[in-house]
Amino acid sequence: KQEVTQIPAALSVPEGENLVLNCSFTDSAIYNLQWFRQDPGKGLTSLLLIQSSQREQTSGRLNASLDKSSGRSTLYIAASQPGDSATYLCAGGATNKLIFGTGTLLAVQP
Amino acid sequence: GAVVSQHPSRVICKSGTSVKIECRSLDFQATTMFWYRQFPKQSLMLMATSNEGSKATYEQGVEKDKFLINHASLTLSTLTVTSAHPEDSSFYICSASRVGLSGEQYFGPGTRLTVT
Repeated sequence: KQEVTQIPAALSVPEGENLVLNCSFTDSAIYNLQWFRQDPGKGLTSLLLIQSSQREQTSGRLNASLDKSSGRSTLYIAASQPGDSATYLCAGGATNKLIFGTGTLLAVQP
Repeated sequence: GAVVSQHPSRVICKSGTSVKIECRSLDFQATTMFWYRQFPKQSLMLMATSNEGSKATYEQGVEKDKFLINHASLTLSTLTVTSAHPEDSSFYICSASRVGLSGEQYFGPGTRLTVT
């Protein structure tokens, strides 16, 4: 059974810093790996999708990588801004069903 | 493109009543829709997977007679919480996958259910 873990659980950084969020999964037979952002009391915003045959995806200041052999994905945020403050969730699975990680609560201090 | 809506966004009901939540894909056809619930300060837990025109597949521990899912068309799925109790109070989120593409899921804005 797929289990997804995110480290750290919470992170506070000053504005302008580059940062990395980590996601680990137990089953390397992963179908897709998605990164999401969730603001308090809101739904999910999809940030990046990495398909199983891909190794990374980039969108603006965000870069996500996928290493199936080690069971890890990272989300790199460059030049962080206060507006990046939110909970970041990764999710993946061996089928089209997504198993969500525990999330990282990011606070970017102005 | 790939917009998913949910209605209502917020609902308060009395214990013992039933509540229906709609999930619509507005600008695409969805082969599969998923229903999740999220308790405060916790992550999303998959409840069930529904394919248009067939019965939903429920995750272990989710009562299918309590959480009725109907996926009558390629753009609409409904979740009915029957005989709701306070412990059913949660944030319910749906998602939809497009026909024939990467399997990426597009999420609705969620429905906050409070059972008093």
